[in-house]
Amino acid sequence: QKEVEQDPGPLSVPEGAIVSLNCTYSNSAFQYFMWYRQYSRKGPELLMYTYSSGNKEDGRFTAQVDKSSKYISLFIRDSQPSDSATYLCAIGGSQGNLIFGKGTKLSVKP
Amino acid sequence: KAGVTQTPRYLIKTRGQQVTLSCSPISGHRSVSWYQQTPGQGLQFLFEYFSETQRNKGNFPGRFSGRQFSNSRSEMNVSTLELGDSALYLCASSRNGMANTGELFFGEGSRLTVL
Repeated sequence: QKEVEQDPGPLSVPEGAIVSLNCTYSNSAFQYFMWYRQYSRKGPELLMYTYSSGNKEDGRFTAQVDKSSKYISLFIRDSQPSDSATYLCAIGGSQGNLIFGKGTKLSVKP
Repeated sequence: KAGVTQTPRYLIKTRGQQVTLSCSPISGHRSVSWYQQTPGQGLQFLFEYFSETQRNKGNFPGRFSGRQFSNSRSEMNVSTLELGDSALYLCASSRNGMANTGELFFGEGSRLTVL
């Protein structure tokens, strides 16, 4: 079983839709949970991070962590064409590194 | 403030050759991590350097090596290149020195093609 699993998509939605992106992880000892966004031909950029179960909001973005189910989610409200990118979940590993999901490619159509 | 700078951005090599990639972290960042990104495997951790010392290492063969200089700039080297080494190599620096707590700042990567 992979340490972090993420549905690769691709995911295509109309502008204004609510987007739900999800990852599962295997190690209950993981404590740090992040979402990165990667535009084409660019490096990933940190979108949101959290260290605890529950929800964290930042504008149109909400990150949710359920440690009991080992499940993390990112919700995007009122999605915009500029949100079109690959979204990567990442978890802080015990070896001082981040363990990334394979990414979900999102396309928001005008 | 300048971001993480990686050079070269693109390069083409042939099997058996070796390659050196360079990374300049954000000023003041002392931790530098390297990741390999491929369509099949996604982002995989190579190694992390802090204050010129390799602090952590991923599961890559010894052909992959790196180093960090006193000004925090880092290089990674891949020897005896294989076709499977074709990938985007990403460097990331960390402000707080803890490379697993999420606040990594990535460069745009060096895209290596091995023919």
